[in-house]
Amino acid sequence: GQQLNQSPQSMFIQEGEDVSMNCTSSSIFNTWLWYKQDPGEGPVLLIALYKAGELTSNGRLTAQFGITRKDSFLNISASIPSDVGIYFCAGQNTGNQFYFGTGTSLTVIP
Amino acid sequence: ETGVTQTPRHLVMGMTNKKSLKCEQHLGHNAMYWYKQSAKKPLELMFVYSLEERVENNSVPSRFSPECPNSSHLFLHLHTLQPEDSALYLCASSRGTGLGSGNTIYFGEGSWLTVV
Repeated sequence: GQQLNQSPQSMFIQEGEDVSMNCTSSSIFNTWLWYKQDPGEGPVLLIALYKAGELTSNGRLTAQFGITRKDSFLNISASIPSDVGIYFCAGQNTGNQFYFGTGTSLTVIP
Repeated sequence: ETGVTQTPRHLVMGMTNKKSLKCEQHLGHNAMYWYKQSAKKPLELMFVYSLEERVENNSVPSRFSPECPNSSHLFLHLHTLQPEDSALYLCASSRGTGLGSGNTIYFGEGSWLTVV
C-alpha cells in the first residue's frame, strides 16, 4: 500500500539553528501539505504545495514540492522555543486519497 | 482557529456507554472526515463524507457509527467501545475530495477519548 516516510523521527536543536525534515512517498502525489501539532491539539496547516517544483514560504518556514512528485521537504530557519511540536507531512495521490507521515518531533533547547 | 470545531474536547466513557462526538465546520467545505490518532502511529482515516454521502469507510468496527446530517456537521456515535479505542479523534474538512489546486484538509482541535 501507499507509504509516506517522514524523517527524522525526532530532532533536538539549539535555539537559533535551522531545521530540515522531509517526506518521501512510494508513488506520485499531486498535493503536499505540512502541518504542526501541539500536544493535545489538532494539526494546524502550515504550508500547502500543489505543483512539482513549487517553493513556498510562510514566515520562517519554507517547503518545496519535489520535482519527482514523490518527495517534499520543510525547512525552519532560526528556530525559536515556540517551534516545539510535531510536524506532519501529508500528500494526496492520484486516487484522491490523503496519506500522512508519522511525524517529526522537534525540541528546541533555549 | 481553523474553522473546524469539535466537541467535547475530552470524553471518558465506560465500555457500556453510548456517547457522540460532534464536529462543525464553518469553511463552506463539502467534504468531512474522521481520523483516529494513536500514539506513535500515523493518522488513520476512518470515514469520509462528500456532500453528506459516505464515500469511504476504512474497515472501521461497527461500534463507531458516523452521521452527516448536512455538509457542515459530522457526528461520530460511539457504543460498546473497548479500551484500545482510547485515542485522539480528529475531525477535518476540505473543499472536496477530488484533485485540484487549493484542496487542503483543515483539522479540528480533536476530541480526547478515554475508554475505561
